[in-house]
Amino acid sequence: KNEVEQSPQNLTAQEGEFITINCSYSVGISALHWLQQHPGGGIVSLFMLSSGKKKHGRLIATINIQEKHSSLHITASHPRDSAVYICAVSWGGSNYKLTFGKGTLLTVNP
Amino acid sequence: KAGVTQTPRYLIKTRGQQVTLSCSPISGHRSVSWYQQTPGQGLQFLFEYFSETQRNKGNFPGRFSGRQFSNSRSEMNVSTLELGDSALYLCASSPVDVAKNIQYFGAGTRLSVL
Repeated sequence: KNEVEQSPQNLTAQEGEFITINCSYSVGISALHWLQQHPGGGIVSLFMLSSGKKKHGRLIATINIQEKHSSLHITASHPRDSAVYICAVSWGGSNYKLTFGKGTLLTVNP
Repeated sequence: KAGVTQTPRYLIKTRGQQVTLSCSPISGHRSVSWYQQTPGQGLQFLFEYFSETQRNKGNFPGRFSGRQFSNSRSEMNVSTLELGDSALYLCASSPVDVAKNIQYFGAGTRLSVL
């Protein structure tokens, strides 16, 4: 069974701290997505990656294909980063659908 | 470019009724995917359409159906509504597929079944 596991489920940080959210998956993938969901429901795609590392502003996403693991890092966290972060993957012959992790609820306190 | 538009934003229905939700993708995007989000199950894939053809389907009963029109707009229909169908329904569009492109999500339709 293809599974996506995220950790931690909940994370509370102080403003300015370095944040790491982890995602593990069970079998080889075609692509991994990191999504951000704010209260109210809107989802924004942050990254799509199949190898290596990507950076956008204070956000960094890395993936280790051999270890079947990805991390999302937030540097110099800010209260506006408070959201649910969701990892999702697509597999080989199912490139047309995403399978999602349960999400990590991040709260950044001022 | 306008984003992904979903209508209506909110719906209240009663058990046994049917409902149709609409999604207009970003101009030029031919792939439209539908997802259901509930507190218990999280986000789950419903189906994906590309050029009016369903390319993939999730593990949902036949009461859930969809279609895509020639202008790439998509609709999903849920018949014989059950209380458990209460959820946020999200659609997302991309140029080709999720292994090659990020997806752009609409704001969702929140369905409440009473």
